[in-house]
Amino acid sequence: DAKTTQPTSMDCAEGRAANLPCNHSTISGNEYVYWYRQIHSQGPQYIIHGLKNNETNEMASLIITEDRKSSTLILPHATLRDTAVYYCIVRAPYSGGGADGLTFGKGTHLIIQP
Amino acid sequence: DVKVTQSSRYLVKRTGEKVFLECVQDMDHENMFWYRQDPGLGLRLIYFSYDVKMKEKGDIPEGYSVSREKKERFSLILESASTNQTSMYLCASSLNRAEAFFGQGTRLTVV
Repeated sequence: DAKTTQPTSMDCAEGRAANLPCNHSTISGNEYVYWYRQIHSQGPQYIIHGLKNNETNEMASLIITEDRKSSTLILPHATLRDTAVYYCIVRAPYSGGGADGLTFGKGTHLIIQP
Repeated sequence: DVKVTQSSRYLVKRTGEKVFLECVQDMDHENMFWYRQDPGLGLRLIYFSYDVKMKEKGDIPEGYSVSREKKERFSLILESASTNQTSMYLCASSLNRAEAFFGQGTRLTVV
């Protein structure tokens, strides 16, 4: 799985959009970009994933650049409960024959300020 | 909603004890995982299982074993607990690689 680079920490004002960047310059053509977050003292939570098109769900939007070397997770109206560590993960699709685990880097600690 | 339930939220055990951490999922997922999380080291995969009675070593299996007798249950066993196994343990399940569901974690302290 390709390596990712994220800023160590970011601040965002409550009610504003939080934009979390991720660089994955060595991503392969069949690798997806996944985002998880981990709120303090809880297990990680899946947010969204995508291949090349932009994706949106009830939690967030994922914007992937045309060359796929970077992406941005957008939380449109951040609340205090969005304070968490956000992990960007790149991995190939399921190909059968069993599964293996996710590789979590250090992620970005997003702090939402009141 | 998918639920992954870990049997204990906090656990304190003595050095040398045999410790069982239990994890149950209710979504009929084939794949289940055990991770540990330590400050500065992130999440590290201990073992995973892609079917009943099947198991594979992850990145740090030493000192651990696992058991998967039923599809919904995946147990992590510390054969002889040591202080360096003090950690947060996280169980996860998934149907495929798209999305993994995690439990709340068990914070284990070995004294």
